[in-house]
Amino acid sequence: NAGVTQTPKFQVLKTGQSMTLQCAQDMNHNSMYWYRQDPGMGLRLIYYSASEGTTDKGEVPNGYNVSRLNKREFSLRLESAAPSQTSVYFCASSENFGTATRKDTQYFGPGTRLTVL
Amino acid sequence: GEDVEQSLFLSVREGDSSVINCTYTDSSSTYLYWYKQEPGAGLQLLTYIFSNMDMKQDQRLTVLLNKKDKHLSLRIADTQTGDSAIYFCAESILLSGNTGKLIFGQGTTLQVKP
Repeated sequence: NAGVTQTPKFQVLKTGQSMTLQCAQDMNHNSMYWYRQDPGMGLRLIYYSASEGTTDKGEVPNGYNVSRLNKREFSLRLESAAPSQTSVYFCASSENFGTATRKDTQYFGPGTRLTVL
Repeated sequence: GEDVEQSLFLSVREGDSSVINCTYTDSSSTYLYWYKQEPGAGLQLLTYIFSNMDMKQDQRLTVLLNKKDKHLSLRIADTQTGDSAIYFCAESILLSGNTGKLIFGQGTTLQVKP
């Protein structure tokens, strides 16, 4: 089992360019998440998908869109990148969401380091 | 509101015990987690504790939960240089309508000196 995989590992964009970050999990999890990590701020939730076919906004959704392509894959799109979106992006998955059980435990991918110039 | 606070930095000598502390504000938390992040890597789940437990031990790791004071700690016995990393505390909050959220602290950087 690879767990949660993310591509690319590193990316440099110019302001205004667009790109899609890819995430896939092979644990048959229902729920998937996108976070960004900035120094001194912990992780902040951008978007999540509680189950296939649904997506919802997290704390910091502005400037991003997501697609839950199927049960395995959840992509994050930056339509017009800005320097404020320079960050490390993590994808995570969990068996379920909002059950108050161990099934809510989230497992993380290795991250994508994005720089916007 | 929901908030999770951690001290930012801890330095210990190899072989000593490390204690990383975390406080949280939301009393509706269900599970509390410790994640480890090594340089340039993702977050690795270390351990978790259910909110009705006081203590959980897993090899060199001991988690203590004081629900009254909303205080969580992670003790690492016989700390090794390989334990140098950032440690994140997180609480899982159950919201209405079968939804929930995970709130992270800012992370504590553990430096282990040989």
